[in-house]
Amino acid sequence: EPEVTQTPSHQVTQMGQEVILRCVPISNHLYFYWYRQILGQKVEFLVSFYNNEISEKSEIFDDQFSVERPDGSNFTLKIRSTKLEDSAMYFCASSAYTSVDTQYFGPGTRLTVL
Amino acid sequence: AQRVTQPEKLLSVFKGAPVELKCNYSYSGSPELFWYVQYSRQRLQLLLRHISRESIKGFTADLNKGETSFHLKKPFAQEEDSAMYYCALRRNTGNQFYFGTGTSLTVIP
Repeated sequence: EPEVTQTPSHQVTQMGQEVILRCVPISNHLYFYWYRQILGQKVEFLVSFYNNEISEKSEIFDDQFSVERPDGSNFTLKIRSTKLEDSAMYFCASSAYTSVDTQYFGPGTRLTVL
Repeated sequence: AQRVTQPEKLLSVFKGAPVELKCNYSYSGSPELFWYVQYSRQRLQLLLRHISRESIKGFTADLNKGETSFHLKKPFAQEEDSAMYYCALRRNTGNQFYFGTGTSLTVIP
């Protein structure tokens, strides 16, 4: 069964550094999402992406964040200048056009900002 | 604004006992409600959604608009049901999910 994959599984970075989290959505899916989960808290929506542009974003997704689909398979989340409070689990998800409500999640990337 | 509340952070039941994981929501429109499950060291996966009105792995959930609830139930819990369960809401506009804080279910053998 096809799955969403994410790399790396764990990223450690220094405060102020840029990080790029990578995701490979399921190949025939057209909607892509990023969520984050700070330890002990709820999963929070960051952004959704469709047709090469952001379709929705939350208040969390400020100018420090950006997303890109650099090629036909990858979907990336960039944090320009990481802060301590960016430490969280970041989940990528994708859904097919015909069933936009069924989102398939990746295993997550644990980001630790020191 | 929309909100999903899962009042129990931890829930333990004995194998074979009934289990109910509570979920309440607030949203002024017509929401779609979902339950996602995360087994140990695995990814979040969809368990069921209210529009399907289906039973998955013996679990059912009924949307009660009067009580704004979407509780997840199973009549006889199994050890393999031990996992983290998240209730999620999708508004009738947009695709983003709003998740509750999750309930960790432990089924005691």
